[in-house]
Amino acid sequence: AQSVTQLGSHVSVSEGALVLLRCNYSSSVPPYLFWYVQYPNQGLQLLLKYTTGATLVKGINGFEAEFKKSETSFHLTKPSAHMSDAAEYFCALPYGSSNTGKLIFGQGTTLQVKP
Amino acid sequence: GAGVSQTPSNKVTEKGKYVELRCDPISGHTALYWYRQSLGQGPEFLIYFQGTGAADDSGLPNDRFFAVRPEGSVSTLKIQRTERGDSAVYLCASSLYASGPNEQFFGPGTRLTVL
Repeated sequence: AQSVTQLGSHVSVSEGALVLLRCNYSSSVPPYLFWYVQYPNQGLQLLLKYTTGATLVKGINGFEAEFKKSETSFHLTKPSAHMSDAAEYFCALPYGSSNTGKLIFGQGTTLQVKP
Repeated sequence: GAGVSQTPSNKVTEKGKYVELRCDPISGHTALYWYRQSLGQGPEFLIYFQGTGAADDSGLPNDRFFAVRPEGSVSTLKIQRTERGDSAVYLCASSLYASGPNEQFFGPGTRLTVL
């Protein structure tokens, strides 16, 4: 069965510090992997995605993630946090081998950025 | 408006009542998804449409939930005999077509409160 686990429901960093949000997955097929961000009272917005090819994926707003098959991980990083990065972040992958696109999400990580 | 829109943004109803939640996808997107997000959780898949037909409704919790997309564009999620446990944010997303690596564009959600 496929699953997504985000370690840490709440992460707090100081402005300018490194951001690291963890995501581990379980999948019986080569996965596609996504990171979405949700700002208060807004819909989810795609930050970045891994499909095939280069394992280091760059996204919007200075975020990047590295797909590590051996560790079944897809952790999200940003070198220097900004106050505007405060939001909830979700890791996701599509269900199963059928190409439906329906997603299974992790439980989310709330990022707090302190001045 | 080029994004996915959902109406109403908030809906308060009494236990036992019927509600309809509407989703307007991005024009030209053939795939439409409904998810439900409970407090502190990631979105959970409910149903998805490819065109007018419900291609996969395996996430609907029971037969009180039903969704339609009669013309392949706007979709309505219908909940009969609402229960307090139905309280959640209902998210709609659309994508160009249903496929694993395709980005899903999310609406802002409808917050349903059942008293």
